[in-house]
Amino acid sequence: DQQVKQNSPSLSVQEGRISILNCDYTNSMFDYFLWYKKYPAEGPTFLISISSIKDKNEDGRFTVFLNKSAKHLSLHIVPSQPGDSAVYFCAASAWNAGNMLTFGGGTRLMVKP
Amino acid sequence: GAGVSQSPSNKVTEKGKDVELRCDPISGHTALYWYRQSLGQGLEFLIYFQGNSAPDKSGLPSDRFSAERTGGSVSTLTIQRTQQEDSAVYLCASSLVPVTDTQYFGPGTRLTVL
Repeated sequence: DQQVKQNSPSLSVQEGRISILNCDYTNSMFDYFLWYKKYPAEGPTFLISISSIKDKNEDGRFTVFLNKSAKHLSLHIVPSQPGDSAVYFCAASAWNAGNMLTFGGGTRLMVKP
Repeated sequence: GAGVSQSPSNKVTEKGKDVELRCDPISGHTALYWYRQSLGQGLEFLIYFQGNSAPDKSGLPSDRFSAERTGGSVSTLTIQRTQQEDSAVYLCASSLVPVTDTQYFGPGTRLTVL
C-alpha cells in the first residue's frame, strides 16, 4: 500500500512557464513533507520542505503548497528552466517514525527550451 | 565540505553471491538511512540507524539483507545470496537529528545481479 503517491510519472513544460508537480498521501500521521530532485546517476538532493503547521513555503522559484484536509501537496516551479529537468520525489515523515522518509514514485519533469 | 559517499559506485555480481555496500555519512550526522530504487520505482526505505539505538530494520525485504554501523559512522549494507530482483540503486543518506529533518543523499551504488 503506497502511502505517498505521485500519480503523474512525467510532465513536460515549456521554458518560462509554471511547472506543477503533485503528490498525495494517505497517512494522517505525516507531519513533515519534502521535495527532492534527482538527476541521473546522482543521489536525490533536497529542494524544499514544509511542516504540517503551514500551508505554503516559498524559496525562490520554488513554492510548496500543503492541503492537509485533502492530504495533497504540490510543488510549483516558476519560471521553469531547462536545468530543472530531473525526477522530482515527494517525501513525507511522521514525528513518531524516527525521521524515516516515505517517498513517492517520482515525476520526471522535462522543461523544453 | 564532504558529502555522503558510497562505494562502489557500480557492482556487478552473479546470482547467489554476497555483496557489501559501503556508506560514509557526513561527519557529525547521527542518523543514517539506506534506501533502494529499483528500475522504474520510487525510493524504498530499508533501514535506519540513529546514534547508539537499535536500528529500525522494518524496511528490509528479507533476512538476506543486513546492515551495520560501526562507531556511529560508516555503515555497510550486506546482501547475502543475491537474487536478480535485488538489482537496484542502493542509496545512503544521513541527517543531523533532531536539529533538522533534511536527509543528504550519497550518489548511490548501482547493483546488477546477473
